Amino acid sequence: ELKVEQNPLFLSMQEGKNYTIYCNYSTTSDRLYWYRQDPGKSLESLFVLLSNGAVKQEGRLMASLDTKARLSTLHITAAVHDLSATYFCAVDGAGTYKYIFGTGTRLKVLA
Amino acid sequence: KAGVTQTPRYLIKTRGQQVTLSCSPISGHRSVSWYQQTPGQGLQFLFEYFSETQRNKGNFPGRFSGRQFSNSRSEMNVSTLELGDSALYLCASKVAGRSETQYFGPGTRLLVL
Repeated sequence: ELKVEQNPLFLSMQEGKNYTIYCNYSTTSDRLYWYRQDPGKSLESLFVLLSNGAVKQEGRLMASLDTKARLSTLHITAAVHDLSATYFCAVDGAGTYKYIFGTGTRLKVLA
Repeated sequence: KAGVTQTPRYLIKTRGQQVTLSCSPISGHRSVSWYQQTPGQGLQFLFEYFSETQRNKGNFPGRFSGRQFSNSRSEMNVSTLELGDSALYLCASKVAGRSETQYFGPGTRLLVL
């Protein structure tokens, strides 16, 4: 059964600092997705990573995928308060169209 | 372009009742997926439809069912509601393929009393 684990589950960080969220998954997949959810809101797509070694950047967020290690990272550079949200990674197992989400990482950026 | 819409936004039901939720995808999107989000279980995949066919389903009991119409609109139905079905139900749409971005609707918040 495909499992997706994120760590940390909670992250409190100061503005201006850098940090990385990790997403590990248990079976083969060449697609990984990152989403953001603000409190009381729906999910917003951040990145779709399509192959081993893929790296995508948007503003202060950068995501990468290592399919051999079954690991994706979401790196936050010089965090700002507006980045406070819950971040989810998701994987679909080997083309099954069955999307499994990680537990989510609740990020709080302190001014 | 209009986003994904879901109706109703909020719903209160009692145990044993049934409920139907509706999702209208972005125009041109043929794939619709449904998810259940709860504080305890997180985000769980229910099913995905493409061109009126279910392509995959998650590990939910048969009380959860869905369908997709020829205009790509989708409905999900939950029969014999249980307290544990209280959740935020999200639908997401995309054009078709695995490599594409999913766009999520605002969700339907269901409370079962």
